[in-house]
Order: sequence, then structure tokens, then C-alpha cells
Amino acid sequence: EIVLTQSPGTLSLSPGERATLSCRASQSVSSSYLAWYQQKPGQAPRLLIYGASSRATGIPDRFSGSGSGTDFTLTISRLEPEDFAVYYCQQYGSSPSFGQGTKVEIK
Amino acid sequence: QVQLVQSGAEVKKPGASVKVSCKASGYTFTSYAMHWVRQAPGQRLEWMGWINAGNGNTKYSQKFQGRVTITRDTSASTAYMELSSLRSEDTAVYYCARAPPIVVVPADRSWFDPWGQGTLVTVSS
Repeated sequence: EIVLTQSPGTLSLSPGERATLSCRASQSVSSSYLAWYQQKPGQAPRLLIYGASSRATGIPDRFSGSGSGTDFTLTISRLEPEDFAVYYCQQYGSSPSFGQGTKVEIK
Repeated sequence: QVQLVQSGAEVKKPGASVKVSCKASGYTFTSYAMHWVRQAPGQRLEWMGWINAGNGNTKYSQKFQGRVTITRDTSASTAYMELSSLRSEDTAVYYCARAPPIVVVPADRSWFDPWGQGTLVTVSS
């Protein structure tokens, strides 16, 4: 099973700042089969990015994904108030697995 | 629009079984696979398995093999997840989540979009 480790655990930032979230895999993720999700309290996860860098339908272009192999990054270029949430990465190159999440909180 | 609506919260005793439903609307049910993912308190999301809603083929996580059964009723556009031999550690929110079209992306190589609203299953004596 591929284990995903996200860092940092918590990111304290102000609206308008840039957020950089990391997801590291225990082994190479084939064909960049990596997705990112946003989850707010009491809600289901929402797909942001798939294929490591493709934005899902309706996702603002301030969200971008990059990376390959074992190292992936989600960048939020300028944080909006609605972006403060928990973010999860997921690999689907083998039996799907998720990272433990990064909480982006208001500083 | 595409919508997945799950059944309501359940409280079960250890050793019992629970069956959660996920009713799909807004798309052709049989053209997609449906996955099930759970989230225990303070834990990461955990994939349980999927069903090809077209032909009924299933695949389960090794962790849940033998305890989980995923089925579907195409006439009702509904998928079901049944988990047996419940224990306290199975207390979690259970989600259904749709994969991309089967003809475009294999069910076992897929991201999940959208998700149902979640069903809280509490296992307590």
C-alpha cells in the first residue's frame, strides 16, 4: 500500500497569502495518479485537482497542482476566506489511499 | 445536476451489520463506478471498495475483504454498502463517491467526484 504523508499538519496564513501544501508518497505514484480534495467541517470532500495538475470543473484558477513520482504540491495562489479548510491528497495508481490532511487556518 | 444522496445515520451494536444506501441522480447510473470511503473520528479517509454499476463487478480493500459487500440496484439508481461484524472502531462517516465514466477511466484508477453527503454509523453497546 502506498502511504501518503502531508506537510505541514497545519498552515496558519492570512487571506491574500500564498499557500503551499506538500504530499509525499512512500513509493512512486504511477502516471501521476494523484488528486487533491478540500473538506470543510460537516461537509464531504470536494475534488480540486486530478492527474496531479488538472483542475476539476468549476475550481478557481488560484488552485494549482504540480509534481510527479513521489512528491506533489498543491498551491493556492491567494487565499480567499472560503479556502480555509482541510486539504487531502489521494493516490489512485494502486489501491487508493489518502494523506492525513493539512489544515489551512486563518492566522 | 449530479447528486448522490445517502441514507440517514445509524446506531448499531457490536457484531451487527449496517447497510448504507446511496441514491444517484442527474446522470446515467450504469456508466460509472461507485466507490465507498469512510472517515473515522480523527483519522484519514479510508477507501473501502467500488462497484461497476453497469456490470456489478466489485473490488474491495484487503482491509475490509470478507466484511464488506457493495451492491447496486440499477432500477433505483442506488448503490449499497453493507459492513458486517461491526466493532467500535467502525464508528465513522461513510461516503459514497462517483468515479469518472468507466469508458474513460478504469474504476480502479479513478479519482472521486462528486461525493455523497455522508452517513454517520455509530457502533456502541
